[in-house]
Amino acid sequence: DAEITQSPRHKITETGRQVTLACHQTWNHNNMFWYRQDLGHGLRLIHYSYGVQDTNKGEVSDGYSVSRSNTEDLPLTLESAASSQTSVYFCASSRTGDGNIQYFGAGTRLSVL
Amino acid sequence: RKEVEQDPGPFNVPEGATVAFNCTYSNSASQSFFWYRQDCRKEPKLLMSVYSSGNEDGRFTAQLNRASQYISLLIRDSKLSDSATYLCVVTPHGSSNTGKLIFGQGTTLQVKP
Repeated sequence: DAEITQSPRHKITETGRQVTLACHQTWNHNNMFWYRQDLGHGLRLIHYSYGVQDTNKGEVSDGYSVSRSNTEDLPLTLESAASSQTSVYFCASSRTGDGNIQYFGAGTRLSVL
Repeated sequence: RKEVEQDPGPFNVPEGATVAFNCTYSNSASQSFFWYRQDCRKEPKLLMSVYSSGNEDGRFTAQLNRASQYISLLIRDSKLSDSATYLCVVTPHGSSNTGKLIFGQGTTLQVKP
């Protein structure tokens, strides 16, 4: 079955380290999104991509970067992890023309100590 | 003002009760509307789209009031398994075809035996 997977599911790191969270989908969706979810804020968009080589900043993009070298993957990189980036990260994908419905991965719980 | 506002709850109801949630959105140009369900520590999943004429899916009824810019979700005959957080979701203005979504913080429902 087609799916969207995130790895790792849990990660503990130290401030200042570079961290990359993986997102892989097998639906051949052209749109992919990264969100973070924190208490009191709901889901906030970090970066998104509409296709290979396309990336765009969301509302909370500072300190994060993404790259889209193929349709299936959109890795999220924290350049220099900060304690404020401790959060749950969700990746999602959607197909253009499918009514904006997004399908989510299971999430990555990141702790920055 | 947040683009999508929901009462976070929690709403505590007995099994069999009828419960309703409302959500307001700020931008009158929003085109698409959804309710997503999120179980504790899990990913959000689409519950139902919300259509202008209102729509029903089993025990769930969604309504859209464009004039007042609010969306509602009605759950009849509540089950223990309905306990979750319900996210109100809209498309940003002018973006009906770009795939982006704006999420409310969610309303938590606890159904008690």
